[in-house]
Amino acid sequence: DTEVTQTPKHLVMGMTNKKSLKCEQHMGHRAMYWYKQKAKKPPELMFVYSYEKLSINESVPSRFSPECPNSSLLNLHLHALQPEDSALYLCASSQTTSGIYEQYFGPGTRLTVT
Amino acid sequence: GDSVTQMEGPVTLSEEAFLTINCTYTATGYPSLFWYVQYPGEGLQLLLKATKADDKGSNKGFEATYRKETTSFHLEKGSVQVSDSAVYFCALGNTGNQFYFGTGTSLTVIP
Repeated sequence: DTEVTQTPKHLVMGMTNKKSLKCEQHMGHRAMYWYKQKAKKPPELMFVYSYEKLSINESVPSRFSPECPNSSLLNLHLHALQPEDSALYLCASSQTTSGIYEQYFGPGTRLTVT
Repeated sequence: GDSVTQMEGPVTLSEEAFLTINCTYTATGYPSLFWYVQYPGEGLQLLLKATKADDKGSNKGFEATYRKETTSFHLEKGSVQVSDSAVYFCALGNTGNQFYFGTGTSLTVIP
């Protein structure tokens, strides 16, 4: 099974709301990733977790707060977002970051900030 | 730094036509190369990969060969179908499993 699941599929939130995105994988992968994808653009890396520890933060604004509660779960907490944060948020996982391994992507959460 | 340059789209083909999407890369070390496909409203799906020079990745009739001498990884398919309509991303994976994506090529296949 090479499935990465993400919930919710769609999310509409106001600029003062707090919400969370959830990602789950059961492939035993120890690396998990958050990407942001705007329409007609490639995914942009936001965060990388390796063995449940944050290893890369690509200078993402603090209104995005990642969390990795265990090796299967990855959350992205959202607070005080701006309309320009509207995008498709993709989660991915890979075996590890020690070496080069294919990344498996979830279906994404379509976020709209009003 | 590492980067991927991908053929601009959009590309429109008739069913059963031959497809080529060009991809070239710049990298240090020994990267792996990937093609991903994204259907409307979905995430990226791994289509094929190659981990070293002269490797050929193939899947579902698509092929790409890792050419170190030309730093290329062009995607080909002999006969496209309407169901192949999607956006195709070339990607390079390198140290720390960091991936670098091309800009994507939108393919539309008409019956």
